[in-house]
Amino acid sequence: AQSVTQPDIHITVSEGASLELRCNYSYGATPYLFWYVQSPGQGLQLLLKYFSGDTLVQGIKGFEAEFKRSQSSFNLRKPSVHWSDAAEYFCAVAPTSGTYKYIFGTGTRLKVLA
Amino acid sequence: EAQVTQNPRYLITVTGKKLTVTCSQNMNHEYMSWYRQDPGLGLRQIYYSMNVEVTDKGDVPEGYKVSRKEKRNFPLILESPSPNQTSLYFCASSFSTSSTDTQYFGPGTRLTVL
Repeated sequence: AQSVTQPDIHITVSEGASLELRCNYSYGATPYLFWYVQSPGQGLQLLLKYFSGDTLVQGIKGFEAEFKRSQSSFNLRKPSVHWSDAAEYFCAVAPTSGTYKYIFGTGTRLKVLA
Repeated sequence: EAQVTQNPRYLITVTGKKLTVTCSQNMNHEYMSWYRQDPGLGLRQIYYSMNVEVTDKGDVPEGYKVSRKEKRNFPLILESPSPNQTSLYFCASSFSTSSTDTQYFGPGTRLTVL
């Protein structure tokens, strides 16, 4: 079955510390991969996406993610977290052909300590 | 400003009282979709529409209806709401049905059914 797993429900980091949010997927073939952020009271905003090519992708707000085919992973990273990064983060996959259909992970809620 | 709007943002209602949540986008997008977000379950797709008068079921369509009479609007209808439909609802749109097109999300509608 197709699925996206975000194993960490909650993560707490200190401001200025580095961050890595994990995402693993189970899919028939390599899908398109996405990270979204949901700030409190807001809708989801696209942080970055991977379609093909360079496995390290850069996104907005200083985030990056690395696609590792052998591990079926697409982990999100940021070298230095800011208090404004406190939010919920969702990993998602979508097929490279056929019906447009996202599968979302269950989300990781990030708390940033001042 | 390009955006997806939803109304109302918050709604408390009682079991069985029909309600409609409106969704409108001003980007001339073909594809629109409704999701519900529940703790521990992430976002799950309810219905989607690939164009005017073309709609189809997502993963959790039971208890919901949609219509797409105009390109910009995609209302979600709950004919007889039940407490298990208490959730946070998001409307999203994208230019086409290609997975490479960015999905734009509305701010969400928090629905409570008593």
